[in-house]
Amino acid sequence: DAGVIQSPRHEVTEMGQEVTLRCKPISGHNSLFWYRQTMMRGLELLIYFNNNVPIDDSGMPEDRFSAKMPNASFSTLKIQPSEPRDSAVYFCASSLKVEADTQYFGPGTRLTVL
Amino acid sequence: SQQGEEDPQALSIQEGENATMNCSYKTSINNLQWYRQNSGRGLVHLILIRSNEREKHSGRLRVTLDTSKKSSSLLITASRAADTASYFCATDAGGSYIPTFGRGTSLIVHP
Repeated sequence: DAGVIQSPRHEVTEMGQEVTLRCKPISGHNSLFWYRQTMMRGLELLIYFNNNVPIDDSGMPEDRFSAKMPNASFSTLKIQPSEPRDSAVYFCASSLKVEADTQYFGPGTRLTVL
Repeated sequence: SQQGEEDPQALSIQEGENATMNCSYKTSINNLQWYRQNSGRGLVHLILIRSNEREKHSGRLRVTLDTSKKSSSLLITASRAADTASYFCATDAGGSYIPTFGRGTSLIVHP
């Protein structure tokens, strides 16, 4: 199994640009989570999906952030417009179900907004 | 705010020594999990302990849970340089099974 796949691994963009992060969960997993990790705030849950439906997006910092899961094998996290304070490592994780014991994390996308 | 907080923030030991990290949390939980994160990588699940369990082992890892004190500890015995990583506890507050992560303990094991 390839595990959770994220792309790109690194993204450098300028303030105001649109950024799209991509995630492919482990096949058969029904839940998908997007996290953001910074030194200041640690690991924050942004949004999670169950069976492709967004369940809780209360962690999304503001309207500039949006996430979609059009099918069971693909999700995107979009930031438009991006700001320097969005610079962080963004992780996607999947699990068999929302209440599963284990979340499997992808390698992350390091985003730098200049 | 974070549900679980790890202590210490950083730990530096010599290979072969034991490493102990602690996690304290605020509200009742269903489960507590420990994850490891190597530099530049995603988190990897290590072990889960349920609220009705007191101790669990996995290889060189030993996790204890004291629900009366709302705390857990992770013990790594006979540490190796490869154990160098950040270790996070993740707890779910009673009504939700979604884990909340602490800020982690950074462990450095010197060869």
